Amino acid sequence: DIQMTQSPSTLSASVGDRVTITCRASQSISNWLAWYQQKPGNAPQLLIYKTSILESGVPSRFSGSGAGTEFTLTISSLQPDDFATYYCHQYNTYSHTFGQGTKLEIK
Amino acid sequence: EVQLLESGGGLVQPGGSLRLSCAASGFHFTTYAMTWVRQAPGKGLEWVSGISGSGTSTSYADSVRGRFTISRDNSKNTLYLQISSLRPEDTAKYFCAKDGGGGRPYADNPGELGSWGPGTQVTVSS
Repeated sequence: DIQMTQSPSTLSASVGDRVTITCRASQSISNWLAWYQQKPGNAPQLLIYKTSILESGVPSRFSGSGAGTEFTLTISSLQPDDFATYYCHQYNTYSHTFGQGTKLEIK
Repeated sequence: EVQLLESGGGLVQPGGSLRLSCAASGFHFTTYAMTWVRQAPGKGLEWVSGISGSGTSTSYADSVRGRFTISRDNSKNTLYLQISSLRPEDTAKYFCAKDGGGGRPYADNPGELGSWGPGTQVTVSS
């Protein structure tokens, strides 16, 4: 199975900061990568799919980039509602995998 | 509006079985591949299993292959996960999710997960 490694595991930042979360795949996944946001007690919500396509209704401060094995999620200016846990998800193969998650905390 | 609602979770002894259901509405169910994802308490997301829209193609995580079976009844707009030979490490909230329709490398495999249900809790303990 393809392993997905996210970094950092925890990120402390302030409102207005620009933050980047990285996801590395153990082998090439082309551009078949999605990002999700999850808040405590809730189901995850899709933010970005196919590496860089913003899901409908998601604020434009979220963006994704990458290809092959290296991918990033960037939030250009953190808002209070953005403090949550973020997961990457590869769907290049029949067996999908998630990254271990990045918890974004208020500094 | 897409709605997904899981049911069937509960407390079960090690070695036991359960059948989880996911009732879908608000979209043409047959058209979309579906997925089960689980989350152990305080842990991250784990992809469990996926199924094509027709139900003819399925895939599983190594951790559940041979113990779990995914299926769907398109006449009832319902997704299922039969979970057997349960272990304490299977304790988790189980989510069903709908393919987002944004494209995928294989036509019979789910892509990104565009809509999720609230989940159903499975606890394996004696």
